[in-house]
Amino acid sequence: DQQVKQNSPSLSVQEGRISILNCDYTNSMFDYFLWYKKYPAEGPTFLISISSIKDKNEDGRFTVFLNKSAKHLSLHIVPSQPGDSAVYFCAASEVRNQFYFGTGTSLTVIP
Amino acid sequence: KAGVTQTPRYLIKTRGQQVTLSCSPISGHRSVSWYQQTPGQGLQFLFEYFSETQRNKGNFPGRFSGRQFSNSRSEMNVSTLELGDSALYLCASSSSIRGNTEAFFGQGTRLTVV
Repeated sequence: DQQVKQNSPSLSVQEGRISILNCDYTNSMFDYFLWYKKYPAEGPTFLISISSIKDKNEDGRFTVFLNKSAKHLSLHIVPSQPGDSAVYFCAASEVRNQFYFGTGTSLTVIP
Repeated sequence: KAGVTQTPRYLIKTRGQQVTLSCSPISGHRSVSWYQQTPGQGLQFLFEYFSETQRNKGNFPGRFSGRQFSNSRSEMNVSTLELGDSALYLCASSSSIRGNTEAFFGQGTRLTVV
């Protein structure tokens, strides 16, 4: 039973434009959400997180939005750069240090 | 600060054998979690150790076990290997002093069962 879903396996965006990656979850008890970026043959790298008490968190080019009523999370990357091409995973947790991950979205930024 | 170190990076084992994977967390991190990544399944939580005690466990059979040492290093063991155990095994460490914090991942151990 996949509690965190990323329904778009892939996304292609032109360099300089906005990339929007989406994530849905089913467990209303999740209270902490994260996005990770993963290159082939490497472990996931933490990007940005958000607590359920917020609806937005920004860090440079990356912004995460949380819509608790819709159980929806999104990551915006503006402007997108070719180096952003990677697989992006969203993750959620109810219990500290136990994360449920989505299946990932492969982002390709076209120069 | 050194990152999370996992050894070995690659392993090939035969069905029915057992395997032990090792993880050294970031210095000062006391929480170590293990995840299995397979194509199409994302990362699946195996278990988490904190101060040598298993604190959380995912939905995996008892063939998957782990332990943590007093220096926070952790090992994961899989007994009676099956072909379906072929996966990337990732270890993550977290400071976990108070509240939720992000987890930092190692590069993983790629296990192939033949």
